[in-house]
Amino acid sequence: GAGVSQTPSNKVTEKGKYVELRCDPISGHTALYWYRQSLGQGPEFLIYFQGTGAADDSGLPNDRFFAVRPEGSVSTLKIQRTERGDSAVYLCASSLWEGQPQHFGDGTRLSIL
Amino acid sequence: AQKVTQAQTEISVVEKEDVTLDCVYETRDTTYYLFWYKQPPSGELVFLIRRNSFDEQNEISGRYSWNFQKSTSSFNFTITASQVVDSAVYFCALSEVLTGGGNKLTFGTGTQLKVEL
Repeated sequence: GAGVSQTPSNKVTEKGKYVELRCDPISGHTALYWYRQSLGQGPEFLIYFQGTGAADDSGLPNDRFFAVRPEGSVSTLKIQRTERGDSAVYLCASSLWEGQPQHFGDGTRLSIL
Repeated sequence: AQKVTQAQTEISVVEKEDVTLDCVYETRDTTYYLFWYKQPPSGELVFLIRRNSFDEQNEISGRYSWNFQKSTSSFNFTITASQVVDSAVYFCALSEVLTGGGNKLTFGTGTQLKVEL
């Protein structure tokens, strides 16, 4: 079956622009997570959705970052007024329910010039 | 706070050698899960194993084995008879139950394994 799908795979944009990153989880998975991975580091937690609601957004670095999951399936991570420090690989993961292992997508490599 | 330490930044071995990747963790939780993920050059994180904190039995899956020792807060990963296809970055991770439910993973910095012919 299909795994977690993330689009685009690469995104290059200028500082100050707005970007949207999309995640399509494994069908039937109710839990969805976003992580950010900087070069040479492990992924860092950003936000967790259970169904349509953001159950924990404690990892979002500041108010320029926002994520939605309006129908409980696809999620979009939105970054306003991008900065060079936002450059990283953004990973999405989903699990069948909250206690199950998380399965990751290939990530979106975001580069802010 | 949760913390995972993978002290080995990079390991190089020759094919067919055995190799052990170390993982040490810190947590105040009494119930938690430990994980290993593989990240090949393609970038996708591949789930390998999950262990419950109450289950200290070692586990073997083919050429892979895991040694969980609660007394030393370690969860080490051994690959027997390594192969070139094992070359990847390996991450150890620790789960933390979030206030709103769900499991936040705290990852180590990873160990780059290079297996050469």
